[in-house]
Amino acid sequence: DAGVIQSPRHEVTEMGQEVTLRCKPISGHDYLFWYRQTMMRGLELLIYFNNNVPIDDSGMPEDRFSAKMPNASFSTLKIQPSEPRDSAVYFCASSLRQSYNEQFFGPGTRLTVL
Amino acid sequence: AQKVTQAQTEISVVEKEDVTLDCVYETRDTTYYLFWYKQPPSGELVFLIRRNSFDEQNEISGRYSWNFQKSTSSFNFTITASQVVDSAVYFCALSEARETSGSRLTFGEGTQLTVNP
Repeated sequence: DAGVIQSPRHEVTEMGQEVTLRCKPISGHDYLFWYRQTMMRGLELLIYFNNNVPIDDSGMPEDRFSAKMPNASFSTLKIQPSEPRDSAVYFCASSLRQSYNEQFFGPGTRLTVL
Repeated sequence: AQKVTQAQTEISVVEKEDVTLDCVYETRDTTYYLFWYKQPPSGELVFLIRRNSFDEQNEISGRYSWNFQKSTSSFNFTITASQVVDSAVYFCALSEARETSGSRLTFGEGTQLTVNP
């Protein structure tokens, strides 16, 4: 079975540009999570969805960040406009409903904003 | 609020040494789940183990073992006879049992383990 798929794996862009990160969760998983990892702040939960509905977006840093999940097999995280401080690795993860289930992580997208 | 603390930022050992990674957690719930993840240099996060709050039995898997002590709110991870391939960042995480949160995890800061040949 395919794991969580993220694209692109690497993204280099210039400040002010729009960036869209994509995620395909594991088929059948009810929950999808977006994380950001930086040296300074570690792993931060940005937002998570249950059955395509955003449940908690309190971790989204600013209005420049938005996330959508139009269907059970696809989610996007958009940054517009991007800033150098957004440079990080962004992970998508999915899990089954129950809280004892482990999250399965994608390979991450390494974003560099110049 | 829940919290996970991994006080050891970095640990460096020589191959074949045993090493223990500490994890202390805080939660008000009586039902919760604890996890360990490994992040090797390649960057992906790999699930290692899950333990629920009602099961305090220690677990061993090959060279890996986990010690869960509810009395001290700790869930420590020991690697026996460490190998260079064990070099990675290790994260401890906590999930509270909520119907509407799925397996929402609170992660610790991570411990960078370096095993030198």
